[in-house]
Amino acid sequence: AQSVTQPDIHITVSEGASLELRCNYSYGATPYLFWYVQSPGQGLQLLLKYFSGDTLVQGIKGFEAEFKRSQSSFNLRKPSVHWSDAAEYFCAVGATYNTDKLIFGTGTRLQVFP
Amino acid sequence: DTAVSQTPKYLVTQMGNDKSIKCEQNLGHDTMYWYKQDSKKFLKIMFSYNNKELIINETVPNRFSPKSPDKAHLNLHINSLELGDSAVYFCASSQGFDRPSQHFGDGTRLSIL
Repeated sequence: AQSVTQPDIHITVSEGASLELRCNYSYGATPYLFWYVQSPGQGLQLLLKYFSGDTLVQGIKGFEAEFKRSQSSFNLRKPSVHWSDAAEYFCAVGATYNTDKLIFGTGTRLQVFP
Repeated sequence: DTAVSQTPKYLVTQMGNDKSIKCEQNLGHDTMYWYKQDSKKFLKIMFSYNNKELIINETVPNRFSPKSPDKAHLNLHINSLELGDSAVYFCASSQGFDRPSQHFGDGTRLSIL
């Protein structure tokens, strides 16, 4: 069965610092992978996705993520964090045979200090 | 123009009542979903519909009944509300299998007194 693990429940960084949010997945084949961001009181916004091809994908708001098959990981990165990036971040995996179903990780809450 | 809109945004009601949440998408997508987000922010799919047909039903109690009058709408009706139903419910839509990126509404916060 598919599963997604986000090992870090809460991360705090200073504004301007670099960021890496970890995501590990469990799936027998190459999955579809997503990162979503949820600001307080808002819905989820898609940051980026990986389906195939180049393993380094660029997203909105200056985020990028790298798919590493050998590590079953899809970590999210940003070189310089802005205060407005404070939010909850969710990694999700979809099976390539039935991408209707997304399995979400438990989320990582990002706090940004000025 | 809001892509996926849900109403109401907040719903406060008493145990035992019946309530509905409406969802509409103007993206022309074929597939719509309902998710439940609990107090620990865990998101779990409840249902998905493709062109008004039920595709996924994730062992949700039959007190929850989705209804899709057309492919742009997916409403969620909940009978006999229980305390454990308190959560944020999100509607989402996607183009389907070949374009699986899901677009989410802003959520409906349901509080049971």
